[in-house]
Amino acid sequence: RKEVEQDPGPFNVPEGATVAFNCTYSNSASQSFFWYRQDCRKEPKLLMSVYSSGNEDGRFTAQLNRASQYISLLIRDSKLSDSATYLCAVDNAGNNRKLIWGLGTSLAVNP
Amino acid sequence: SAVISQKPSRDICQRGTSLTIQCQVDSQVTMMFWYRQQPGQSLTLIATANQGSEATYESGFVIDKFPISRPNLTFSTLTVSNMSPEDSSIYLCSVRQGINQPQHFGDGTRLSIL
Repeated sequence: RKEVEQDPGPFNVPEGATVAFNCTYSNSASQSFFWYRQDCRKEPKLLMSVYSSGNEDGRFTAQLNRASQYISLLIRDSKLSDSATYLCAVDNAGNNRKLIWGLGTSLAVNP
Repeated sequence: SAVISQKPSRDICQRGTSLTIQCQVDSQVTMMFWYRQQPGQSLTLIATANQGSEATYESGFVIDKFPISRPNLTFSTLTVSNMSPEDSSIYLCSVRQGINQPQHFGDGTRLSIL
């Protein structure tokens, strides 16, 4: 099993739709979880950290499910500008808690 | 978050030559990393740049090919040596302030080898 796994997609959704991505991780001792957004040929940018209690930022909601070892990202009322690749990052639970990156989920929001 | 500046932003190089990429941060950071991302692929960690000592390389990457310097807490360089077309990629500098903190990235260096 890979350390961090994401469905590569692509997810094609119409504007206004709600879309959710999951990211599974293999190390139950991981403590830090993040979602990033990456536009084509640009650097990844932090979208949100994922806390145990879940967190929400506008149309974006991130949740952590420790029992099943996955994090999720929910995007409500999708905009054309949400089209991007969404990467999850999970720490490796080692001494340096190095981040392990998923391959990314591609989202295309269509008019 | 810290402002991370990478230079050059892009370059086209001849095979067999070397290029040094600079990463400057506007504040002191605990951890600095160098990544590579080839077209359509995910991030691949090359090494962790350690201040005042040799970098820690990931499997498949060696110091002779990718020498790294980190003379202080705000600056690092990555050299891509003896380049071949397979080294064509985006190279990204990334920083992290603590073990439970997110990472932030420079805007990358787009390298093409002819």
